[in-house]
Amino acid sequence: EVVLTQSPATLSLSPGDRATLSCRASQSVNGRLVWYQHKPGQAPRLLIYDTSNRAADVPGRFSGSASETDFTLTINSVAPEDFAVYYCQQRHTWPLTFGGGTKVEI
Amino acid sequence: EVHLVESGGGLVQPWRSLRLSCAASGFTFNKYWMSWVRQAPGKGLEWVANIKQDGSAKYYMDSVKGRFTISRDNAKSSVFLEMDSLTVEDTAVYFCARDQEKYEDTGRFDYWGQGTLVTVSS
Repeated sequence: EVVLTQSPATLSLSPGDRATLSCRASQSVNGRLVWYQHKPGQAPRLLIYDTSNRAADVPGRFSGSASETDFTLTINSVAPEDFAVYYCQQRHTWPLTFGGGTKVEI
Repeated sequence: EVHLVESGGGLVQPWRSLRLSCAASGFTFNKYWMSWVRQAPGKGLEWVANIKQDGSAKYYMDSVKGRFTISRDNAKSSVFLEMDSLTVEDTAVYFCARDQEKYEDTGRFDYWGQGTLVTVSS
């Protein structure tokens, strides 16, 4: 199965900072990498799919990029509501797999 | 507005069974693949299983193959997860998630429920 390794585990930031979250795949996922935001007690939220496509109603400060098997989620000017855990997930091969998550904290 | 509401979680003893349900509304249910995703306490998300619109195709993660069965009832806009031979490692919040319409586009979950907690303990 494809192993996704997210780093860092925790990112401590202030509102207005730029957040850079990484996700490394153990093999090619052909760009089919998805990002979710998850807050405690809430349903996860789809942010980005296929490396760089923003989902509906996702603010423009969220963007995704990649270099081969290294994927990046960037949050330009972190807003107070962005403090959460972020997961990457590949949808290239079965079984679908998630990374371990990056917690973005104040 | 899309809503997914899970139910059926609770405390269950090891090796017993439990059936989870997910009631969907706000969209044409029989047009979409559906999935279950879980989150063990203090851990990350883990995809469990998914099912095609007509139930003719199903996929599972390795550790639940042969123990879990996903099914759906399009007339009731519901998807189910029958879990047998439960172990403590199955303890988690189980989320129902809407997938996509086309097989080649599956694995992108655009709506999720709030989850239902399953605790396996003696």
